[in-house]
Amino acid sequence: NAGVTQTPKFQVLKTGQSMTLQCAQDMNHNSMYWYRQDPGMGLRLIYYSASEGTTDKGEVPNGYNVSRLNKREFSLRLESAAPSQTSVYFCASSRRPGQTYYEQYFGPGTRLTVT
Amino acid sequence: AQSVTQLDSHVSVSEGTPVLLRCNYSSSYSPSLFWYVQHPNKGLQLLLKYTSAATLVKGINGFEAEFKKSETSFHLTKPSAHMSDAAEYFCVVSDGSSNTGKLIFGQGTTLQVKP
Repeated sequence: NAGVTQTPKFQVLKTGQSMTLQCAQDMNHNSMYWYRQDPGMGLRLIYYSASEGTTDKGEVPNGYNVSRLNKREFSLRLESAAPSQTSVYFCASSRRPGQTYYEQYFGPGTRLTVT
Repeated sequence: AQSVTQLDSHVSVSEGTPVLLRCNYSSSYSPSLFWYVQHPNKGLQLLLKYTSAATLVKGINGFEAEFKKSETSFHLTKPSAHMSDAAEYFCVVSDGSSNTGKLIFGQGTTLQVKP
């Protein structure tokens, strides 16, 4: 099992450019999540998908959109990148919603710089 | 509302000495609590989790945590630090107010291990 995979690993964008971060999991998990990590702020939830066919906003959704393409894949899109979106982005998955004791499994991250 | 406070942003220990990373939580529900570790430029890995079974939880690499409801604490300990333990550690509580499996992260504690 590869677990949670993310592409790309690194990306540099100019202000105003768009891009899509890809995430896939092979653990047959129902729930998937996108976080951003900034120094001294822990991880903050951007969007999540509790189950296939549903998506909801997290703590910091502005400037982002998501698509739950199928059970395996959950993508994050930046339509018009801004320097404030420079961050490390993590995708995670967990077995299913509604049970708080299911831990999340994290991908290796995408380091994004917006100039 | 759920929240997590990691009481130290930075902890420094000598190799072979005990480790204590402190975490307090606030939750209106019976919480699930987790500790994750992040090595430099890596994703997050689950160390251990508490899910209302035993209050003393054993995790990987010799780490333990004790759930103390009266003190709303979930401190992480290890009897003897190893150089490879140098990393960032996150205390995490589940969002029990919804059926989404959302996690709420502390701001992280950087553990430095000196030879």
